[in-house]
Amino acid sequence: EVQLVQSGAEVKKPGESLKISCKGSGYSFPTYWIGWVRQMPGKGLEWMGIIYPGDSDTRYSPSFQGQVTISADKSINTAYLQWSSLKASDTAMYYCVRRSNGYNSYAYWGQGTLVTVSS
Amino acid sequence: SYELTQPPSVSVSPGQTARITCSGDALPKQYAYWYQQKPGLAPVLVIYKDSERPSGIPERFSGSSSGTTVTLTISGVQAEDEADYYCQSADSSDTYVVFGGGTKLTVL
Repeated sequence: EVQLVQSGAEVKKPGESLKISCKGSGYSFPTYWIGWVRQMPGKGLEWMGIIYPGDSDTRYSPSFQGQVTISADKSINTAYLQWSSLKASDTAMYYCVRRSNGYNSYAYWGQGTLVTVSS
Repeated sequence: SYELTQPPSVSVSPGQTARITCSGDALPKQYAYWYQQKPGLAPVLVIYKDSERPSGIPERFSGSSSGTTVTLTISGVQAEDEADYYCQSADSSDTYVVFGGGTKLTVL
């Protein structure tokens, strides 16, 4: 059974750094792209970027380029999303998603990690 | 930047047919996908490659495509179908993924 299990909720202050994780299981982790999707409170879904764990090839949405860093460690089947300096506007639910091979859909989603940034 | 446009809301009575549209310039060249999201839960893929239905998704969910518009149709709507629905596709270069703004389906 394919599973994506994300790290727990975080409460941070503006300016702090943060790295959240997404551990895949039940499939060959290096051979499927893993993406990240943001959902701000009461708002829609936003695609942030994607990484191929096999070779760490990474693509970012122009809206998120330079704002976050996506990485992966294939040895432990885990992808990461990190911020170097959080802002209040980063408060959101973040989902990791597994891209289907051959086409651009996301059939598997993590349970979400709620990030709250508040002074 | 590339955008997909959905109506903010659609309302139907139980048993009727709901149609949710999604428009985008690259849709003639790119597949569209549809997700259902209920409050407090992660989205669920209900249609892929314009009109294919994943296993476990009820037959009342269907998808179609015509030019720059794709449509999610829910036939015989049930109360449990009340949710937010998002279309998703990619730009014409297949580099960037984009979601539509979402449509809130209300079952009256």
